[in-house]
Amino acid sequence: SYELTQPPSVSVSPGQTARITCSGDALPKKYAYWYQQKSGQAPVLVIYEDSKRPSGIPERFSGSSSGTMATLTISGAQVEDEADYYCYSADSSGNQRVFGGGTRLTVL
Amino acid sequence: EVQLVESGGGLVQPGGSLRLSCAASGFTFSRYWMTWVRQAPGKGLEWVANINQDGSEKYYVDSVKGRFTISRDNAKNSLYLQLNSLKAEDTAVYYCAGGDCSGGSCSSVPVSWGQGTLVTVSS
Repeated sequence: SYELTQPPSVSVSPGQTARITCSGDALPKKYAYWYQQKSGQAPVLVIYEDSKRPSGIPERFSGSSSGTMATLTISGAQVEDEADYYCYSADSSGNQRVFGGGTRLTVL
Repeated sequence: EVQLVESGGGLVQPGGSLRLSCAASGFTFSRYWMTWVRQAPGKGLEWVANINQDGSEKYYVDSVKGRFTISRDNAKNSLYLQLNSLKAEDTAVYYCAGGDCSGGSCSSVPVSWGQGTLVTVSS
């Protein structure tokens, strides 16, 4: 079955840039999406179609994709950005969807 | 305002069955792909199944194929997930999520989420 691979954890100081990666063989042909999930809450979409930001998501969140890797970048991370982040995409057939294993972002 | 409210979770013995429901409001339910996502305690998100607007397309993660069935009733603005032959590893919070129809086309990507319903499989 198809897998997306993320680092388990990333840690930055407030104001620094946090980068979370997601690797998958189908990413050259399939969009990546990114979700933020804070403790006890439902996930929130923060990036769609590799690099687009939904309305209401702060400009410090951005996304990019190159080859088999997608990246979520949080420029000037803030304490309130502490959360688990998940990438999401489809396999090469487009029928199976998958989440990455998740990355816990610590900002302190 | 988009609202998705899951129900039907609870404690069930291994091998048992449950039917989860998701009541949708605040949007034209029949236009949207719908998805079930689960999250085991302390673990990550797992895509379970999705269904297209008229129910003619359904897709499942391999681990639930043949045991779970996704369905919808557009007249009732409701999404369902029938869980059969339950195993301990099916224990999770099950989220209902709606797709997106902005930009002139409709996508199955989960955008709106409910708060989830907990399914516990244990003897």
